Amino acid sequence: EAQVTQNPRYLITVTGKKLTVTCSQNMNHEYMSWYRQDPGLGLRQIYYSMNVEVTDKGDVPEGYKVSRKEKRNFPLILESPSPNQTSLYFCASSLSQGSNQPQHFGDGTRLSIL
Amino acid sequence: AQTVTQSQPEMSVQEAETVTLSCTYDTSESDYYLFWYKQPPSRQMILVIRQEAYKQQNATENRFSVNFQKAAKSFSLKISDSQLGDAAMYFCAYSGGGADGLTFGKGTHLIIQP
Repeated sequence: EAQVTQNPRYLITVTGKKLTVTCSQNMNHEYMSWYRQDPGLGLRQIYYSMNVEVTDKGDVPEGYKVSRKEKRNFPLILESPSPNQTSLYFCASSLSQGSNQPQHFGDGTRLSIL
Repeated sequence: AQTVTQSQPEMSVQEAETVTLSCTYDTSESDYYLFWYKQPPSRQMILVIRQEAYKQQNATENRFSVNFQKAAKSFSLKISDSQLGDAAMYFCAYSGGGADGLTFGKGTHLIIQP
C-alpha cells in the first residue's frame, strides 16, 4: 500500500530535549516536505527536499533541521525544542517537484513541548 | 509570494443541501494548480479535488465541484447533497511553478446539521 509513515503520532516532551520525527515513504517519490499546522493559520511549510542530499527552507524553518540521506526518509529534527513548536506536523511526498504533482500526506504527529 | 485566503472560518449546512466554500488567491504566475483538501477529525489530509489553471473547464469529482474564476483569482468549492461524513476542515491550497510546495489557506470548518 502506498503510504507516508510518520513516527511518533504523539509526543509530549520538555523544552530543550532534542527530538526527531521520522518520515518514510514507499512510493519512490523524489519530493518530500514538512508542514506544521496551527489553529487559525492553516499549514505552513517548514522544509522541503527535491531529492537525496538536496534540501531547502520553506516559510517557517527556524528551530528545525532536516536531512535527506536516503530517498525514502526525510526526518525532522528539533535540536532544542521550545513551547512555540507545539503543533501538528505533517510530512508529505510527491513524485517530483512540480505544481501538477499531488502530494501524499502522512497521518500527522502531534507534538507538545512543555 | 503567493497568498491564499479563505474568508469563512466556519460554515454550517443542513444535511442533503448544497454549500459553497470560498477561496481567493494572489499570484503573478500564469501556470499553477489549485487544490481543496479535507481534514476530518482523524487529522488526515485528503485530496478532494484539483484544478489546473490552464483549463477553463471546472473540475468535478462526484458531489464536489469547483467554480474557478482565473481573472478574479477565485476558487470556490461546492458540495452538493451534503452528508454527515463531509463534516471536516477544508483547506484551499495553491501550487506554483517553483520548488516550494503548497501554500494553504487558513481553513473553513464545515458543520453538517442532521
